[in-house]
Amino acid sequence: KQEVTQIPAALSVPEGENLVLNCSFTDSAIYNLQWFRQDPGKGLTSLLLIQSSQREQTSGRLNASLDKSSGRSTLYIAASQPGDSATYLCAVVNNAGNMLTFGGGTRLMVKP
Amino acid sequence: DTAVSQTPKYLVTQMGNDKSIKCEQNLGHDTMYWYKQDSKKFLKIMFSYNNKELIINETVPNRFSPKSPDKAHLNLHINSLELGDSAVYFCASSQTGSYGNTIYFGEGSWLTVV
Repeated sequence: KQEVTQIPAALSVPEGENLVLNCSFTDSAIYNLQWFRQDPGKGLTSLLLIQSSQREQTSGRLNASLDKSSGRSTLYIAASQPGDSATYLCAVVNNAGNMLTFGGGTRLMVKP
Repeated sequence: DTAVSQTPKYLVTQMGNDKSIKCEQNLGHDTMYWYKQDSKKFLKIMFSYNNKELIINETVPNRFSPKSPDKAHLNLHINSLELGDSAVYFCASSQTGSYGNTIYFGEGSWLTVV
């Protein structure tokens, strides 16, 4: 059964710092991996999606990498801003493409 | 336009009651899901429907019964509510075969059982 772990569980950084969020998964037979953002009291917003055949995806200040063989993904946030404060969730999609398994999330606080 | 919409957003009810949460998606997707986010913020899948057919049913008490009248709707009915059912319930949808099966989530329904 797929298990997804995110480290750290919480992170507080000053504005402007570059930071890395980590995600690991136990079963490398995945369809894709997605990173989401969740703001307090809100739903989930998809940030980046990496297909199993890809190594990374970039969107603005965000860069996500995928190493399927080692069961790892990282989300790199450049020049962090207070507006980046949220919970970041990593999720892997099974090979059938019909189920996401989520990690526990990383709560990020960017201080002005 | 809201892609995946859920109602109600907040629901407070007493133990033993029966309640429903409705979900609709206007994206033309063929797959819909219900996820539960507990107090520790872990998100776990409950059900997945593809073209109105149940394809995933994780270990969920049979007090929870999903109903999909058509591809655009997946409602969640909960019987005999218990304190432990208090959580946020998220509806989501995706299209099989589309790029990576990107999944879109609703805003969530906050259920509190007292």
